[in-house]
Amino acid sequence: DAGVTQSPTHLIKTRGQQVTLRCSPKSGHDTVSWYQQALGQGPQFIFQYYEEEERQRGNFPDRFSGHQFPNYSSELNVNALLLGDSALYLCASRRQDTEAFFGQGTRLTVV
Amino acid sequence: GDSVTQMEGPVTLSEEAFLTINCTYTATGYPSLFWYVQYPGEGLQLLLKATKADDKGSNKGFEATYRKETTSFHLEKGSVQVSDSAVYFCALIDAGGTSYGKLTFGQGTILTVHP
Repeated sequence: DAGVTQSPTHLIKTRGQQVTLRCSPKSGHDTVSWYQQALGQGPQFIFQYYEEEERQRGNFPDRFSGHQFPNYSSELNVNALLLGDSALYLCASRRQDTEAFFGQGTRLTVV
Repeated sequence: GDSVTQMEGPVTLSEEAFLTINCTYTATGYPSLFWYVQYPGEGLQLLLKATKADDKGSNKGFEATYRKETTSFHLEKGSVQVSDSAVYFCALIDAGGTSYGKLTFGQGTILTVHP
């Protein structure tokens, strides 16, 4: 079992650009959540996808959007990047009544 | 809303010392409580959990007891090792029907253990 896999592991973008991050959930998991972890902070919930729909959303602007595919994998899109979007982006997967499993994250640097 | 507060860090200990990392929470319902660990350059790993009052979670020598009366979930280990050096996060999931498993995290505590 490969666990939760995220890609890419690192990337650098310029202010104003758009970025797409990808997540493949652990086998058997149908729910994917995304978190933003700024340097020195705890992860902050962005949103959660279940059955290809956004089920819950945290306090993030509409520049942050996502998608879940029929195979349960997910994408996080961020438009009009700001310097403050630089962070580690974590994907977590679960199924009902299990704890969340996290990927290793994507380190996004906006310059 | 829900919130988690961890003791201000970082924490520096010698090997075999006793560890306590304090965690208190605020939640509208009856949350499940978790400790996650993050090693350098890695994602989060679940260390232990407790789902109701007075439950004790334990794993790899770490323990934490769900104290509803003090809204606390302090992490303890009797004898730390250099390999325990990491960032530790306390977290909760509110048991309310609309939580859908959303985790609320504390700010993290950096633990450094010296030989």
